[in-house]
Amino acid sequence: EDQVTQSPEALRLQEGESSSLNCSYTVSGLRGLFWYRQDPGKGPEFLFTLYSAGEEKEKERLKATLTKKESFLHITAPKPEDSATYLCAVQGGNNRKLIWGLGTSLAVNP
Amino acid sequence: DGGITQSPKYLFRKEGQNVTLSCEQNLNHDAMYWYRQDPGQGLRLIYYSQIVNDFQKGDIAEGYSVSREKKESFPLTVTSAQKNPTAFYLCASSYRVENSPLHFGNGTRLTVT
Repeated sequence: EDQVTQSPEALRLQEGESSSLNCSYTVSGLRGLFWYRQDPGKGPEFLFTLYSAGEEKEKERLKATLTKKESFLHITAPKPEDSATYLCAVQGGNNRKLIWGLGTSLAVNP
Repeated sequence: DGGITQSPKYLFRKEGQNVTLSCEQNLNHDAMYWYRQDPGQGLRLIYYSQIVNDFQKGDIAEGYSVSREKKESFPLTVTSAQKNPTAFYLCASSYRVENSPLHFGNGTRLTVT
């Protein structure tokens, strides 16, 4: 069964303290892995798409990487405005619908 | 400025009433989606549409209906048959269903009492 697991559920960091969020997936024939950021009461905002193992994408303090079993979202020197829930979703070859993780809630303290 | 507009932001209804949530996009996307988000659960797909006049059931379509008469619009009706309608509803669009990131609206929070 296609599945996406995100860890940790919640993470609290001090400003400037770098860390990583994990998205583990089980899917047949990965077509794409997507990272989103969601602020409270808002819709998810698209961050990155990764298509194949070894691929990396960067945007400001965020860097997403992909292996055959998992993806990491690395946050370098985070700021309080990076506080949000980060969602991971996967699309496999057998299922055109996205499989969503439950998200990691990130809080960055000043 | 292109984007997806959902209205209203908050909606209150009495049990037994049907209610329609609006979703409009000006991104020229072919595909549109409706998701439901509940605390502690991942996003769950209600319906999606690949093209005008076509739509498919998602994982939790029971008690919901949609139409896609125009490319820009994909309204969702929550019927009285939906047993737990109180939730945060998200509309999204993408260039195509496969390998294409979704762009979301800011949601409608529906409360049914």
